[in-house]
Amino acid sequence: DIQMTQSPSTLSASVGDRVTITCRASQSISSWLAWYQQKPGKAPKLLIYKASSLESGVPSRFSGSGSGTEFTLTISSLQPDDFATYYCQQYNSYPFTFGPGTKVDIK
Amino acid sequence: QVQLQESGPGLVKPSETLSLTCTVSGGSISSYYWSWIRQPPGKGLEWIGYIYYSGSTNYNPSLKSRVTISVDTSKNQFSLKLSSVTAADTAVYYCARDRVGYGSGSYMDVWGKGTTVTVSS
Repeated sequence: DIQMTQSPSTLSASVGDRVTITCRASQSISSWLAWYQQKPGKAPKLLIYKASSLESGVPSRFSGSGSGTEFTLTISSLQPDDFATYYCQQYNSYPFTFGPGTKVDIK
Repeated sequence: QVQLQESGPGLVKPSETLSLTCTVSGGSISSYYWSWIRQPPGKGLEWIGYIYYSGSTNYNPSLKSRVTISVDTSKNQFSLKLSSVTAADTAVYYCARDRVGYGSGSYMDVWGKGTTVTVSS
């Protein structure tokens, strides 16, 4: 299985901050990476697919980059609605695997 | 707009079989892959497996011996069965629609709200 890691595990930030979350794969996954946002008690929501493609309806302050084994999710200006947990998922090979998550909370 | 809704027992006894159904509304189950994902309390996400509307499946090897995913296109539903459950199978179970990347696997673009299943006697 491809192992996914994320850093940091928790990130404290303020409204308006630029936030970057890193996701690493244990082997190359090309650009086959998705990012999700999950709020407490809710289902995950797709933000980014193919490493850098923004899902329809997702605010443009979210962006993704990277290829191979290292990827980043950036929120250019953190908004109150963005405090949540973020997961990456590789879909290069079976079984599809998720990172452990990064919780973004209020500083 | 496609919506997914999980249904099934919220409590299952150890060693028994967990059975859940996902009903797709607002769109057809045809021409898509459909996944089950679970999330133990306070933990991360685990992909269980998926089914194509035609019936072909792919399962996570960690669960493969205990998992069956099936589809009923006439009812616009797909289902999950997980046998011989233990407390470790206690989780929120989500169904989701997959979007397949060209030349790759899939990611999940529409999710159900999730249903909590507790394994306990």
